[in-house]
Amino acid sequence: DTGVSQNPRHKITKRGQNVTFRCDPISEHNRLYWYRQTLGQGPEFLTYFQNEAQLEKSRLLSDRFSAERPKGSFSTLEIQRTEQGDSAMYLCASSVTGSNQPQHFGDGTRLSIL
Amino acid sequence: AQKITQTQPGMFVQEKEAVTLDCTYDTSDPSYGLFWYKQPSSGEMIFLIYQGSYDQQNATEGRYSLNFQKARKSANLVISASQLGDSAMYFCAMREGFYGNQFYFGTGTSLTVIP
Repeated sequence: DTGVSQNPRHKITKRGQNVTFRCDPISEHNRLYWYRQTLGQGPEFLTYFQNEAQLEKSRLLSDRFSAERPKGSFSTLEIQRTEQGDSAMYLCASSVTGSNQPQHFGDGTRLSIL
Repeated sequence: AQKITQTQPGMFVQEKEAVTLDCTYDTSDPSYGLFWYKQPSSGEMIFLIYQGSYDQQNATEGRYSLNFQKARKSANLVISASQLGDSAMYFCAMREGFYGNQFYFGTGTSLTVIP
């Protein structure tokens, strides 16, 4: 069990650029989640995959955000035309199915918009 | 309305003492799960303990226990024999519904353990 892996750890970009983050979940986990966390706040849910199907998206997820999990393994989160307000920590988590199953989190990708 | 409320932005505890971190939740679904996570300054979220809405007994995991009061919709985390390494942010979270997909997190409590 190597844990949830996220890349890159840090991303600095200029406003208006596109960025893409990658998440590799724990291998046997069929559920994958993306969250955004700003300073002093708890994680905010963005989207959720069961295998390759994106089953739920938050209203927070504007049309500039898109996520994929093409083969039910790794996932990518893309932000187009980044804005200052996108600066945050983006967390990925995975779990197995089961109401009592916790989510296991990666270390996150910290995005800074210049 | 907030799904998860943590009213203590910061808490201090003397090393080796016990501390209680408060969490209240809001749901009308009879089936839900409550989770506590620890987030040290390094940033990773670490799962601590789980309580299901139908569980008859309070959950315990080592030095962590959950004081579950269903009628009051509270799920307070109790850390016994605090250690310096317990200094971190603590988040309460809820999964709503038996097959609920979303986790709702509170704003967290910053715990500082004083030597």
